[in-house]
Amino acid sequence: AQKVTQAQTEISVVEKEDVTLDCVYETRDTTYYLFWYKQPPSGELVFLIRRNSFDEQNEISGRYSWNFQKSTSSFNFTITASQVVDSAVYFCALSEAQNTGTASKLTFGTGTRLQVTL
Amino acid sequence: NAGVTQTPKFQVLKTGQSMTLQCAQDMNHEYMSWYRQDPGMGLRLIHYSVGAGITDQGEVPNGYNVSRSTTEDFPLRLLSAAPSQTSVYFCASSYPSGRAWNTGELFFGEGSRLTVL
Repeated sequence: AQKVTQAQTEISVVEKEDVTLDCVYETRDTTYYLFWYKQPPSGELVFLIRRNSFDEQNEISGRYSWNFQKSTSSFNFTITASQVVDSAVYFCALSEAQNTGTASKLTFGTGTRLQVTL
Repeated sequence: NAGVTQTPKFQVLKTGQSMTLQCAQDMNHEYMSWYRQDPGMGLRLIHYSVGAGITDQGEVPNGYNVSRSTTEDFPLRLLSAAPSQTSVYFCASSYPSGRAWNTGELFFGEGSRLTVL
């Protein structure tokens, strides 16, 4: 069975600090996808990134960066120079890709609530 | 584009009542799913569908029914509501994984907050 662990329940930082959100996953599949979603206080879920299991390159998008390491089964998310607007719950998710049609069947972690204050 | 539309956004039920949460998408997505979100438990998959006429159970299917008669609609039925079904429900859609243009992204509705007394 697949499992996603986000051990950090809540993180508080002061604006402009860097913060890393941890994600550790378990799967028996050799092909899989990893995701990060953001849930701001308004409640909607916003897609941030998708990474497949064959692509271990780190990715940077503005102040966001992701570090995927298969050796440690981790897919960590770093926000550089955090801002108040980054305050949200962040979810890491894993999907099975072996079966065509069900790669969108995501298993989510329990989420990390990030609070950024002035 | 409306994207994924869920109705109602809020609902209060009494134990034993039945109701249907509606979900419609206008993106011609083949894959649709329902999740529930509970504090400290993340999102858990209830049921999903890979196309019209095809549904399957997720992690927490008990107490819920679904059907998929059209590509656009994927209603979630609570047969006899229980307080344990108090939750926020999200409908999500996507293309199947086999499509070259599919990024694997799930498109979520805004959520439906259900309280069962």
